[in-house]
Amino acid sequence: EAGVAQSPRYKIIEKRQSVAFWCNPISGHATLYWYQQILGQGPKLLIQFQNNGVVDDSQLPKDRFSAERLKGVDSTLKIQPAKLEDSAVYLCASSLTQDGYTFGSGTRLTVV
Amino acid sequence: AQSVAQPEDQVNVAEGNPLTVKCTYSVSGNPYLFWYVQYPNRGLQFLLKYITGDNLVKGSYGFEAEFNKSQTSFHLKKPSALVSDSALYFCAVVRGGSASKIIFGSGTRLSIRP
Repeated sequence: EAGVAQSPRYKIIEKRQSVAFWCNPISGHATLYWYQQILGQGPKLLIQFQNNGVVDDSQLPKDRFSAERLKGVDSTLKIQPAKLEDSAVYLCASSLTQDGYTFGSGTRLTVV
Repeated sequence: AQSVAQPEDQVNVAEGNPLTVKCTYSVSGNPYLFWYVQYPNRGLQFLLKYITGDNLVKGSYGFEAEFNKSQTSFHLKKPSALVSDSALYFCAVVRGGSASKIIFGSGTRLSIRP
């Protein structure tokens, strides 16, 4: 089966600019996650979708981050405006059940 | 609340020697436990998981982990380390049977010297 697709792989922007990331999960996986992984740290959940509804966005900085999964399939994560501390790898994952999670290769964001 | 602790930032082992990467967890109810590996500029790759059943779980690339409920641990082990095992390893936990999210530890960098 195809894996979780993410694009772009790399992005460099200046602070205060906006950026968007895209994720296409494994077909049939109802649950989709966005994680932020800062260098040297473990991934931190930003938002969890079940189909097109939000299950958990308690750690999403809502003043600058937004995410949507309008048709319950692919998803976009947006940052506007970006700050230097947003430099990280943004990982998308999907799951069908709680005992299996598949991660994409991630998008490495550098804010200068 | 769920949490995972990986007490060692780095583990150094000589090639051919056994390796252990430690993980302890805290979760109410039944834990689902996972190990993932991350190579440079790559996403997280699944190694193994414990859901239920035998406490000793075998996974990819010769790795195994032992679930110890009394010590709330899930240490990753391999009998004979390879240089190619050098990578960043993450332990993760989910509270089974709920809609809760997967929580990751801070990671342990494994370095295997020739």
